[in-house]
Amino acid sequence: QTVVTQEPSFSVSPGGTVTLTCGLSSGSVSTTYFPSWFQQTPGQAPRTLIYSTNARSSGVPDRFSGSILGNKAALTITGAQADDECDYYCVLYVGSGTWVFGGGTKLTVL
Amino acid sequence: QVQLHESGPGLVKPSETLSLTCTVSGVSIHGHYWSWIRQPPGKGLEWIGYVYYSGSANYSPSLKSQVAMSVDTSKNQFSLRLTSVTAADTAMYYCARYEDTWREFDYWGQGTLVTVSS
Repeated sequence: QTVVTQEPSFSVSPGGTVTLTCGLSSGSVSTTYFPSWFQQTPGQAPRTLIYSTNARSSGVPDRFSGSILGNKAALTITGAQADDECDYYCVLYVGSGTWVFGGGTKLTVL
Repeated sequence: QVQLHESGPGLVKPSETLSLTCTVSGVSIHGHYWSWIRQPPGKGLEWIGYVYYSGSANYSPSLKSQVAMSVDTSKNQFSLRLTSVTAADTAMYYCARYEDTWREFDYWGQGTLVTVSS
């Protein structure tokens, strides 16, 4: 069973830059995993931020960016704002038409 | 404007079958993949599977024995059936469109909470 790993929590100062990562318990993440990133505020449905590694979904500001860093997918938020404080999830395509979500990262802006 | 709306019973008894429907508006169900994702209270997201408008489907290996998805093109709806449910199936269930060309889950419903309890 494929396990997708994310930092359970992270903190960033207002105006600062933070990079969240999305890895595999075994192996490296590459573009062939088509990583996507989602933002979820409490009580709301997830919102897609990034798909296919680095493509920004419609309406997502350019301070959100995706990449591959080393052996992981990464979501970078520049100029962090108070309303960026929420949960972030990644999902990876693991083959045979199936996807696996990471456990999520709770981001604190303080 | 594309909108998805989940509907179905909010309470299901253990060992029974959970059935949910997602009604799509603003776009035809034709030519697209349609996905179900769930989230137990206080926990992370879990991909359940997706169904193509033609009816072919792919499911999470961990849920494959329990899950069936179908499409009703005449009503622009797709559905989820989960059999033999237990308390572990209590979750918020989301439907979403999966755009295979870009590998993007681009539109989401607001979700519906299903509780499994006697």
